[in-house]
Amino acid sequence: GQQVMQIPQYQHVQEGEDFTTYCNSSTTLSNIQWYKQRPGGHPVFLIQLVKSGEVKKQKRLTFQFGEAKKNSSLHITATQTTDVGTYFCAGPKGSQGNLIFGKGTKLSVKP
Amino acid sequence: DGGITQSPKYLFRKEGQNVTLSCEQNLNHDAMYWYRQDPGQGLRLIYYSQIVNDFQKGDIAEGYSVSREKKESFPLTVTSAQKNPTAFYLCASSIGSGVSGELFFGEGSRLTVL
Repeated sequence: GQQVMQIPQYQHVQEGEDFTTYCNSSTTLSNIQWYKQRPGGHPVFLIQLVKSGEVKKQKRLTFQFGEAKKNSSLHITATQTTDVGTYFCAGPKGSQGNLIFGKGTKLSVKP
Repeated sequence: DGGITQSPKYLFRKEGQNVTLSCEQNLNHDAMYWYRQDPGQGLRLIYYSQIVNDFQKGDIAEGYSVSREKKESFPLTVTSAQKNPTAFYLCASSIGSGVSGELFFGEGSRLTVL
């Protein structure tokens, strides 16, 4: 069945270092969404990418959608302790009207 | 303030008991969802509903039941048939089907079976 895979599962960085998480889908996606879940919290929507090759930035966060619309990445420049949490990507599951989530990348930042 | 309210936040249950988790939204969203989250497993879809009086099974519906009698409400019952119910349960809603717009999540309900 359709799968959305994320790597790495865990990432430990020193504050100020960069961080990247990668998302790969087994099928072509019409769009991809990214969410952040702080420890003990709930997922919060970050962004949606729709176009092939699209790049969007939110301050220190850069999101990319692959040309084939099967992969995506989230890059954080100069991490801060406030970036701690788990980052999930999600894409539409076939035509069912719901999303399939990756297992997430858990980021920890050492001050 | 508009949002999604889940209750209770924490719940303890004895084996063999059914328990119902509440999810209410005042965002006027059509679609609502229940996800289960286990450590290292990401979010797995239990049930979803795109319109009142209609709902569909997700990937892990066995041992769960839902109803959608009102647009604002989408309660989830964890039945005794669910063999491993201890988990963090998240309710979400979206304006449309969710595949073209963001999901808004509640704060979650953490269920522990004793």
